[in-house]
Amino acid sequence: GQNIDQPTEMTATEGAIVQINCTYQTSGFNGLFWYQQHAGEAPTFLSYNVLDGLEEKGRFSSFLSRSKGYSYLLLKELQMKDSASYLCAVRDSNYQLIWGAGTKLIIKP
Amino acid sequence: ETGVTQTPRHLVMGMTNKKSLKCEQHLGHNAMYWYKQSAKKPLELMFVYNFKEQTENNSVPSRFSPECPNSSHLFLHLHTLQPEDSALYLCASSQGATGIETQYFGPGTRLLVL
Repeated sequence: GQNIDQPTEMTATEGAIVQINCTYQTSGFNGLFWYQQHAGEAPTFLSYNVLDGLEEKGRFSSFLSRSKGYSYLLLKELQMKDSASYLCAVRDSNYQLIWGAGTKLIIKP
Repeated sequence: ETGVTQTPRHLVMGMTNKKSLKCEQHLGHNAMYWYKQSAKKPLELMFVYNFKEQTENNSVPSRFSPECPNSSHLFLHLHTLQPEDSALYLCASSQGATGIETQYFGPGTRLLVL
């Protein structure tokens, strides 16, 4: 079967750095997405990786290793507004999106 | 601000009620989606419409009935639901439905079935 694993919940301190991991086992790979979802709001697109390496976008970076079936989302200089759930999704060989259950990130002052 | 709107934002209904969820996208997209999001579970794709035609139905019970009158509007008609259907129902849209496009989500309808 196809599976996306990410931690259920993480806690970090304002101003610090946090890394949210995502591992996947899918039938084929055609890209990996990270979405941010604040409580009661729409998931919003954060990043897309299809080649190995690091994609940096401001305070957020996303890394991909296709050989390891692994990605992480790195958030720097954490702010209280970064408290949200972070969803990892992989596009499989049929271009279907396979979703993880999301990681709830709690930021403490 | 999201280009995808959903109404109502919250809905409480009994198991014998009939209600409809509405989604509208203002992005000029051609594909629209319904997802179910339950607590601590992955998003479940329910239906996909591309150019008003249903292209996917992921074994969804018939008590959920989608309708897509045009590329900008999508409805989900609900009848005789069960308590386990309580969840957040998300609508999304994308330029096309080939799978390579990024999806843009609405804020969802929080549904509680009593």
